[in-house]
Order: sequence, then C-alpha cells, then structure tokens
Amino acid sequence: LAKTTQPISMDSYEGQEVNITCSHNNIATNDYITWYQQFPSQGPRFIIQGYKTKVTNEVASLFIPADRKSSTLSLPRVSLSDTAVYYCLVGGDSGAGSYQLTFGKGTKLSVIP
Amino acid sequence: EPEVTQTPSHQVTQMGQEVILRCVPISNHLYFYWYRQILGQKVEFLVSFYNNEISEKSEIFDDQFSVERPDGSNFTLKIRSTKLEDSAMYFCASSERVQETQYFGPGTRLLVL
Repeated sequence: LAKTTQPISMDSYEGQEVNITCSHNNIATNDYITWYQQFPSQGPRFIIQGYKTKVTNEVASLFIPADRKSSTLSLPRVSLSDTAVYYCLVGGDSGAGSYQLTFGKGTKLSVIP
Repeated sequence: EPEVTQTPSHQVTQMGQEVILRCVPISNHLYFYWYRQILGQKVEFLVSFYNNEISEKSEIFDDQFSVERPDGSNFTLKIRSTKLEDSAMYFCASSERVQETQYFGPGTRLLVL
C-alpha cells in the first residue's frame, strides 16, 4: 500500500480557499486517491476520489498531476464548519476481493473567524 | 440519502466480557468493513467481509474478534473477551463494489474497564 505524506496541520481564515497537498511517491498503477474528512467522535466522511487530472464535486476539487505522485485537495471558501481532520488515502483492490483503507494521521485544518 | 448505522453509540464493559457491536450497512452494498480508532490515534483497518466470508484481516483482528452477517441487513463485530486496550471507536463501513467509495457509520465508542 502506497504511503502518503501530508501536513500535520493548517490554519485558514473563513472565506479563503484551502489547498492541502498529499505526497504519494509509490502510488501503483491501479491505485485511486481518496480524501476523507473526519470531525471529532464521528466516522470519516468521503469527500472526493480521483485517478488522474482533475475531479470536482459540490464540496471540493482534486488536482492530480500527470505523474500521480501527489494530489491536492482544494476546498473553496472554507467556513468554520470545515474545521476537521482531512485524510489522503491511496489504494486499490488488494486482489483479495478487498479494498482496505489505510489512514495516516491526516491534516488538521483549523478555520479561524 | 442512505447511510450506515451503528448500535450502540456507546458501550461500557468490564474486562473479559464479550461485546457485540452492530452495524446496518447501506442496503445495496456488498462489501463490509470494520475499522477502529483509539483515542488520538489513526483509523485502523480491522477486517473486510464479502459474500459471507472474511476477505482480508489485519494483525489486530486476532482470535478474540469475529464478524458475522446474521441476516440480510446486520453486520456484527464480536469481541469475545475484551481487554483494556480494546477501548476505542469502532467504525463500520460499506461499499457497493470493491473499489467504490466506503461509507462509514457514526461509530460505537467502546470503553473497557
């Protein structure tokens, strides 16, 4: 399973765009990149998933360069409620009929009024 | 929007006692997972389950743990003889297909005294 590296913490003011970059140098050909959000004492919540280039949904955008060794989660105009831990995960079908998610420590985003 | 549910939300038990944590995955999902998160630590994979059998399990998932899908809707995690170090949040997740998004439940907070 590819290892990921992301900043431990980030601060941002309300209304700003936040970009969280994740490194995954050993990403495999069949690996997808997935981002989750977790609030204290709650389960991780899926934000976005991509394989290459750019993916956008109603919550965020995910930018993946051609070499796929990194990815950037972009949150437009954050609000206080976006304060959470954000996890970058890389993985694919293990071949055992399972898709085990390996969480790192994530990035703790604090949004300041 | 369909969601994964878990019961109970909190469970306190004495060391050595058996506990059963219950999950109701999203109805059309076929892949089921258990993860745990010790307070202040990473989310850790425990086990995946498909077609009524375990697909993959981690080193944490030793003989004290078992999973079952007793009927068409419930998915349970049993800890046969709890230890103090089993205290954690336990999250159930499900996905429609193996590489599809995993949706997490709200978790069960287990406290072993």
